[in-house]
Amino acid sequence: RKEVEQDPGPFNVPEGATVAFNCTYSNSASQSFFWYRQDCRKEPKLLMSVYSSGNEDGRFTAQLNRASQYISLLIRDSKLSDSATYLCVASNYGGSQGNLIFGKGTKLSVKP
Amino acid sequence: DGGITQSPKYLFRKEGQNVTLSCEQNLNHDAMYWYRQDPGQGLRLIYYSQIVNDFQKGDIAEGYSVSREKKESFPLTVTSAQKNPTAFYLCASSFQRDTEAFFGQGTRLTVV
Repeated sequence: RKEVEQDPGPFNVPEGATVAFNCTYSNSASQSFFWYRQDCRKEPKLLMSVYSSGNEDGRFTAQLNRASQYISLLIRDSKLSDSATYLCVASNYGGSQGNLIFGKGTKLSVKP
Repeated sequence: DGGITQSPKYLFRKEGQNVTLSCEQNLNHDAMYWYRQDPGQGLRLIYYSQIVNDFQKGDIAEGYSVSREKKESFPLTVTSAQKNPTAFYLCASSFQRDTEAFFGQGTRLTVV
């Protein structure tokens, strides 16, 4: 079974802190990776695509390590509005699980 | 505006009734997906479709049915055979397999 594993948290951090999430994926044939953000009782929204060279978008940095099959998300200078659940996603080649496999999410709570 | 629309936002159903959830997208995406999310849980794939007139079962297809007669539309029917249908249902679409998926706002189904 192809899976994506994440630490469920919760991660409780003060405003301004740097926080890092990791996730691992089991399908070595996965080609595409993403991070989504999901607010309580809302739909997931795409935060970042993850490229093999790593990529940065403002306070957010995503890294991919294919050899170890893990993906990371770094959030710098955390804001109260960053409080949400962060979902790690890997593509799935073959199998019966559809094209994208979602992790169960890591909950982040940023406190004043 | 391009996007993916789910309706209704809230739905109440009596036990033993079938109900159909609507999902429409105008993003010209080939792939469409239905997920179920229970409180505090991750997304579980119900059905997915990579092309018109074709769809595949996901992890939890029992008690559900879908159709894909048009590229833009992927309705989900929750049948009376689904033992525990109360959940948050999310529809998503992507340009092709392995590209980022975009979600509708979801339908909250409650069996009363």
